[in-house]
Amino acid sequence: AQKITQTQPGMFVQEKEAVTLDCTYDTSDPSYGLFWYKQPSSGEMIFLIYQGSYDQQNATEGRYSLNFQKARKSANLVISASQLGDSAMYFCAMREQDSSYKLIFGSGTRLLVRP
Amino acid sequence: EAGVAQSPRYKIIEKRQSVAFWCNPISGHATLYWYQQILGQGPKLLIQFQNNGVVDDSQLPKDRFSAERLKGVDSTLKIQPAKLEDSAVYLCASSLVKPSGELFFGEGSRLTVL
Repeated sequence: AQKITQTQPGMFVQEKEAVTLDCTYDTSDPSYGLFWYKQPSSGEMIFLIYQGSYDQQNATEGRYSLNFQKARKSANLVISASQLGDSAMYFCAMREQDSSYKLIFGSGTRLLVRP
Repeated sequence: EAGVAQSPRYKIIEKRQSVAFWCNPISGHATLYWYQQILGQGPKLLIQFQNNGVVDDSQLPKDRFSAERLKGVDSTLKIQPAKLEDSAVYLCASSLVKPSGELFFGEGSRLTVL
């Protein structure tokens, strides 16, 4: 069963505006972690942000923040003040914190930033 | 700190031929992952090692794919015989064994099967 869902195949945003990329997940494990990665057209996978299921505060890293709504099982990525270099694929991923530390990815959202 | 090294970067083969990919993780990272990323899709986990033991290989097509991690460091992923649908980027990643341990990825090996 798919455990990570990204329902937006593609998104546009105007430069300097904020954008939210959606991610929902499904797990019965009370302990888990959520990750966001960026993949530019060059292909490398760049880690952006992490949120643990027991973290009280929403994670933030510079212009990236994670809107974590545990009851809704959603972990949306918010990018503030979009830049042209933010154009890329964005992947949400989840790690259930059982003994395996397996990390499963969603299908991704392609973000295009318009000048 | 050196990153995750992968080779070759590109490989083109005919169907039914074999191919091998090599990965050297970041020093000290006990966990090593191989993902398959088909164009336009998210990475799909093929196999995960912790040290030199297999943690998960439930998505590995074992009739044609094999992987090993020698002495808990380097890893090799082999495909034999290749099919057209194996055309993809094969990503290797490594991480520390901790819940928040993010994966560090190599540049990937792009396979084209003709």
